[in-house]
Amino acid sequence: DAGITQSPRHKVTETGTPVTLRCHQTENHRYMYWYRQDPGHGLRLIHYSYGVKDTDKGEVSDGYSVSRSKTEDFLLTLESATSSQTSVYFCATRTYSSTDTQYFGPGTRLTVL
Amino acid sequence: DQQVKQNSPSLSVQEGRISILNCDYTNSMFDYFLWYKKYPAEGPTFLISISSIKDKNEDGRFTVFLNKSAKHLSLHIVPSQPGDSAVYFCAASGRGSSNTGKLIFGQGTTLQVKP
Repeated sequence: DAGITQSPRHKVTETGTPVTLRCHQTENHRYMYWYRQDPGHGLRLIHYSYGVKDTDKGEVSDGYSVSRSKTEDFLLTLESATSSQTSVYFCATRTYSSTDTQYFGPGTRLTVL
Repeated sequence: DQQVKQNSPSLSVQEGRISILNCDYTNSMFDYFLWYKKYPAEGPTFLISISSIKDKNEDGRFTVFLNKSAKHLSLHIVPSQPGDSAVYFCAASGRGSSNTGKLIFGQGTTLQVKP
């Protein structure tokens, strides 16, 4: 358990509205990640961060932006939500070490109507 | 193009028997592999991992086997217990020099262990 919380845990929104999901960690882990989970696709990386203000794109980054102003917080923003962004979103963290074990938060279920 | 594939969406086994979950990958640059377990409405939890310099790693009832020539790994659970019923994801990473830790996940296999 890496002390990861996600908020909100559930959200229903309408197409075209902005949405921000928050990930908070208490372990001072350097790396943070945002994934989405969809049936038939497993988990796919959206964006990740390798330090404060240092972020990069993952494999499904279109339509998403991120920010990390503090070590403990990693925000995922959908500037204008679409129905294709209905998904379960997971945040994960990792220390800088020789292993790549990532620890996941409980997830946020987002529905875009 | 799916670089990590779990071709069996589901698996059902009897309690006490062996569960074998399979995973194939296509990218020869992957050098670290992990298995995660996920219960409904929870985040994935780390189960076991293996580096490409090994062909087997064991942790209690869980053993992961890696066959690099076949680009195949498998997770063995012996003996299977009803509490093992969950979705299992395999994931791969190519650490290289950047070590960003980006993981590529398979689609998942739902394991059901019947009492």
